Amino acid sequence: GAVVSQHPSWVICKSGTSVKIECRSLDFQATTMFWYRQFPKQSLMLMATSNEGSKATYEQGVEKDKFLINHASLTLSTLTVTSAHPEDSSFYICSAIGASPDTQYFGPGTRLTVL
Amino acid sequence: QQQVKQSPQSLIVQKGGISIINCAYENTAFDYFPWYQQFPGKGPALLIAIRPDVSEKKEGRFTISFNKSAKQFSLHIMDSQPGDSATYFCAASTMIYNQGGKLIFGQGTELSVKP
Repeated sequence: GAVVSQHPSWVICKSGTSVKIECRSLDFQATTMFWYRQFPKQSLMLMATSNEGSKATYEQGVEKDKFLINHASLTLSTLTVTSAHPEDSSFYICSAIGASPDTQYFGPGTRLTVL
Repeated sequence: QQQVKQSPQSLIVQKGGISIINCAYENTAFDYFPWYQQFPGKGPALLIAIRPDVSEKKEGRFTISFNKSAKQFSLHIMDSQPGDSATYFCAASTMIYNQGGKLIFGQGTELSVKP
């Protein structure tokens, strides 16, 4: 149980285009979902926290107009990177919290490469 | 005060040896301390977690030691195996201050277990 999926697992796009990444909790309802980005050999950096039906809370320094988060249901959150640039190339990982408020279950990640 | 400091950055251990990774925190409001294991190109997976009301928790070959007064906790991997080679992250979170579930990650430790 407690499986989180992400789609796509990798994506390559041209500079200036937008990319949408989906995060789904497959076997539980996620009250809260988190989005992280991770650069090579670095730790996970929290970008934003999203709760179903409400606006996401962004961490300091994260551009909310660039990284659009929609948590439309208890099993789906999406991250849209708008007008992507090469510096947005990174590994994006989502996580979800279900019945237990402490335990975060992570998705497999999405590798974004912007050319 | 929200930082979690992790050491060492990298660790090489012989097969069968003990791997020890340390973390320190400052925020006394933290009340949940998980360890995550991450393989290259994958999302983190929860390994083991502890709360401040116990000083040690063991699950198989993995043990967390927790020192509340020193604000330190560590992960011990007994009988380390080549398959344990991965990056390990400690983390901390608190349920108060509206921070429910928000994880603060350490910098990560790249473990290599030599056969």
